[in-house]
Amino acid sequence: EVQLLESGGGLVQPGGSLRLSCRASGFTFSSYAMAWVRQSPGKGLEWVSALSPPGGNTYYADSVKGRFTISRDNSKSTLLLQVNSLRAEDTAVYYCAKGAGYGPGGYFDYWGQGTLVTVSS
Amino acid sequence: EIVLTQSPATLSLSPGERATLSCRASQSVSNYLAWYQQKPGQAPRLLIYDASSRATGVPARFSGSGSGTDFTLTISSLEPEDFAVYYCQQRNKWPPLTFGGGTKVEIK
Repeated sequence: EVQLLESGGGLVQPGGSLRLSCRASGFTFSSYAMAWVRQSPGKGLEWVSALSPPGGNTYYADSVKGRFTISRDNSKSTLLLQVNSLRAEDTAVYYCAKGAGYGPGGYFDYWGQGTLVTVSS
Repeated sequence: EIVLTQSPATLSLSPGERATLSCRASQSVSNYLAWYQQKPGQAPRLLIYDASSRATGVPARFSGSGSGTDFTLTISSLEPEDFAVYYCQQRNKWPPLTFGGGTKVEIK
């Protein structure tokens, strides 16, 4: 059974940083593209970043480019998102999502339950 | 960036009725479009990919159609568990991958 378990969210002041983690199990982690998708409270879904397997190429939304860094540790089946210079508009539930086999620019067939990041002073 | 516009924003229907949801793209996405279902407090669930292929375990009452810029998700007969928010997503031109704004299917 595929499972994705996020952690690392919390309350942070504007300009602060967090490191989000997603522990994966139930599939060969190193073989699949992975991504982060966020959802602001009461709003829709926004793609944030993606990473190709086994980890060479990274992709970012313009809204986070230069502030967020996606990476993966295949030995620990873990996806990471370093989020820096946080702004109020980054407040959202951050979902880890598994690529459905179309590479980093595809669909997502499994999602974690999300971790909430709140940016507020 | 490809913009996906979903309509209507809210669809009020009764169990057993047919639901028809629309997703329109600002430019052609060929057939590279997916549909997701999201219930309150839950993560999205992939329903349909490549416009018309059902994901594993998705009931046959869910069907997708369309190509180019106009797509439809049809739920042939609404079950109580189908009341949720539905999102479309394109993968034809990226980054960024983009999602529509969602359609909420609510009980009338």
